[in-house]
Amino acid sequence: KQEVTQIPAALSVPEGENLVLNCSFTDSAIYNLQWFRQDPGKGLTSLLLIQSSQREQTSGRLNASLDKSSGRSTLYIAASQPGDSATYLCAVSGTDTGRRALTFGSGTRLQVQP
Amino acid sequence: NAGVTQTPKFQVLKTGQSMTLQCAQDMNHEYMSWYRQDPGMGLRLIHYSVGAGITDQGEVPNGYNVSRSTTEDFPLRLLSAAPSQTSVYFCASSFTGLGGYTFGSGTRLTVV
Repeated sequence: KQEVTQIPAALSVPEGENLVLNCSFTDSAIYNLQWFRQDPGKGLTSLLLIQSSQREQTSGRLNASLDKSSGRSTLYIAASQPGDSATYLCAVSGTDTGRRALTFGSGTRLQVQP
Repeated sequence: NAGVTQTPKFQVLKTGQSMTLQCAQDMNHEYMSWYRQDPGMGLRLIHYSVGAGITDQGEVPNGYNVSRSTTEDFPLRLLSAAPSQTSVYFCASSFTGLGGYTFGSGTRLTVV
């Protein structure tokens, strides 16, 4: 059974810092990995999608990397801003038809202090 | 373009009542799924569907039923609500299940 772990569970940083969020998964047979952002009381917003054949994806100040063989992904946020405060979720999808649904980590709750 | 629409946004039920959470998508996505989100436990898969007429169970299916009569709609039915079903429910869709997922805004359900 696929298990996804996110470390740390919570993080508080001053504005302007660069930071790294970590995600690990137990089964390397994934099709892709997706990072989401969730604001309190809201739904999930997709940030980055990395296919299993890719090593990284970038969008603005966000960069996500994937090392499928070691079962790890990182989300790098450059020059953090108070508006980045949210919970960040990592999720992986399996390779066969019955396992395409996402398996989620518990998330990292980020607070950026002004 | 509406994406994934969930209704209602909030609901309070009494133990034993039944209800249906609605989910509709207008992106012609084949793959649809339901998750529940509980504090400290992340999102867990309840049921999923790979196309109209095809559904299957996820990690936590007990107490829930689904059907998929059209590509657009994937309702989730609570047969006899229990306090343990108090949660936030999210519907998601994907073109093939192999691409990125789009999520609805969620339904916050309280069972008293």
